[in-house]
Amino acid sequence: EIVMTQSPLSLPVTPGEPASISCRSSQSLLQSDGNNYLSWYLQKPGQSPQLLIYLGSNRASGVPDRFSSSGSGIEFTLKISRVEAEDVGVYYCMQGLRPPVTFGPGTKVDI
Amino acid sequence: EVQLVESGGGLVQPGGSLRLSCADSGLTFGSHWMDWVRQAPGKGLEWVAHINGDGSVKNYVDSVRGRFAISRDNAKRSLFLQMDSLRAEDTAVYYCVRGDSGALLYWGQGTLVTVSS
Repeated sequence: EIVMTQSPLSLPVTPGEPASISCRSSQSLLQSDGNNYLSWYLQKPGQSPQLLIYLGSNRASGVPDRFSSSGSGIEFTLKISRVEAEDVGVYYCMQGLRPPVTFGPGTKVDI
Repeated sequence: EVQLVESGGGLVQPGGSLRLSCADSGLTFGSHWMDWVRQAPGKGLEWVAHINGDGSVKNYVDSVRGRFAISRDNAKRSLFLQMDSLRAEDTAVYYCVRGDSGALLYWGQGTLVTVSS
């Protein structure tokens, strides 16, 4: 099983300021097709999770461009260029390379 | 936009069974992997199982293998999760999710399963 870790687990943020979350996997998520099977999700309070980033660095449809992701292999970083109030919630990274699919523990972002 | 609507949750005694259903509004249901993901109260996300488009490939997390069974009916654009021998630790909101490119693209609103005597 691929184990996913995140840091920090809690992140106080200030609107208008940048923020970043790190995600590490116990095995490389880089597949022979050149893609990293790493995705990011945001679960806002009281809502279902929503996809932010897929294949390591691709923003999902409708996701604001203040969200970006970088990294390859085992280390990844989600960045928010300028935090907005609507960005609060819990952020999860997830590996979809091989089953069982596994999530990180989550990073709670609040203002 | 694709809508996924789960049903079938509820209160069940330990050792009991439940069958969850998920209705997909999309026209390309049969082309996509489908997943079940759960979230225990106040906890993080846990992937439960997935199934490929034609139903020939199924995978499960170890904690449910042998007790849960994922299936699909492409003609009815529906996904199912048969849950047997339920335990207190299976208590969670269960989400139906459509997968694509190794990610979980569309999520339902979830259905709550409570296992308690």
